[in-house]
Amino acid sequence: KNEVEQSPQNLTAQEGEFITINCSYSVGISALHWLQQHPGGGIVSLFMLSSGKKKHGRLIATINIQEKHSSLHITASHPRDSAVYICAVRFYTGTASKLTFGTGTRLQVML
Amino acid sequence: EPEVTQTPSHQVTQMGQEVILRCVPISNHLYFYWYRQILGQKVEFLVSFYNNEISEKSEIFDDQFSVERPDGSNFTLKIRSTKLEDSAMYFCASSEKGGANVLTFGAGSRLTVL
Repeated sequence: KNEVEQSPQNLTAQEGEFITINCSYSVGISALHWLQQHPGGGIVSLFMLSSGKKKHGRLIATINIQEKHSSLHITASHPRDSAVYICAVRFYTGTASKLTFGTGTRLQVML
Repeated sequence: EPEVTQTPSHQVTQMGQEVILRCVPISNHLYFYWYRQILGQKVEFLVSFYNNEISEKSEIFDDQFSVERPDGSNFTLKIRSTKLEDSAMYFCASSEKGGANVLTFGAGSRLTVL
């Protein structure tokens, strides 16, 4: 069964802390997306990656294809980073257009 | 920065009524998607649309649902006879290319069925 699991489900951090959110999936993928969902509900695409590592500002995403695992890191976290972070994958066994989503990690960064 | 625009932001309807949710994708994007998120649950794929036809749909997207691109800019999701369980946030997204490509999401339309 094609599944996506994220950990932790909830995360509370102090401002400035280094944060890691993990995503693992069950079978081979063609792409993995990291998304941010704001408290109002809107979704913003952060990264799409199929191998290696990408960096944008304080955000870093890595993926290990062999281990079927990806991590999203936030350096020097700030209260404005508080949101739900969602991993979504495009499985090889699915068709090109379908994304399968994880349940999300709710991050709260305190002052 | 180009945006995907969705209307309405919130709609309340009675069970059994028809609802149309509207989306204006980014102008040079060719692939369009609808997703939904029931409160407290994960986002689920509904349907993808390319070249004026459905390219894929999930098991959720039954005969009560339809999509249309009535003109060059709008992309609509119609629910013919709403049920209580259709209450959810509906997200439209678009991408320039299909396959492994970055999606741009709209802000969502919250549908409440009473």
